[in-house]
Amino acid sequence: DAGVIQSPRHEVTEMGQEVTLRCKPISGHNSLFWYRQTMMRGLELLIYFNNNVPIDDSGMPEDRFSAKMPNASFSTLKIQPSEPRDSAVYFCASSPLAGRETQYFGPGTRLLVL
Amino acid sequence: AQTVTQSQPEMSVQEAETVTLSCTYDTSESDYYLFWYKQPPSRQMILVIRQEAYKQQNATENRFSVNFQKAAKSFSLKISDSQLGDAAMYFCAYNRYRDDKIIFGKGTRLHILP
Repeated sequence: DAGVIQSPRHEVTEMGQEVTLRCKPISGHNSLFWYRQTMMRGLELLIYFNNNVPIDDSGMPEDRFSAKMPNASFSTLKIQPSEPRDSAVYFCASSPLAGRETQYFGPGTRLLVL
Repeated sequence: AQTVTQSQPEMSVQEAETVTLSCTYDTSESDYYLFWYKQPPSRQMILVIRQEAYKQQNATENRFSVNFQKAAKSFSLKISDSQLGDAAMYFCAYNRYRDDKIIFGKGTRLHILP
């Protein structure tokens, strides 16, 4: 069974450019989470979805960040325009049932904004 | 608010020896889950072990075991017969029952000395 799939694995872009990160959760999982990891702030929850509906986006740092989940098998995290301080590793995780089951993480996308 | 504290930013252990990583948490809830995640240099977040708060028996997973002290709000991870592949960042995490969010500690970086 495939785990959580994220693409791209690495992204280098210039300040001001739009960045789109993609995630395919584990089939059958109803909850999807986007995290950001930096040395300074550790692992932060940005937003999560239950059954494709955004539940809590209080962790999204600014309006430059947006996330969508058009169906149960796909989600995107978009940064527009990107800034150097957005450089981080972005993880997607999924869970069969949030609050009762383990979250399974994807391999992460390492983003570098120059 | 719930918090998770890992007081040891870094630890080292000789290969084949046993090491214990500490974790304390703060909550007023009685039903919750606790986790240890491992993050090797590949950056992948891997679930090591999970404990349900209602279970008195400590969870074990091969060479990994926990010492769960609910009254003390302590959840330490013991790694027996340490191997080079155990070198990683280890995160302790808390999830209130039926709550979607997982709260992560800052992590402990474990070095294995050959």
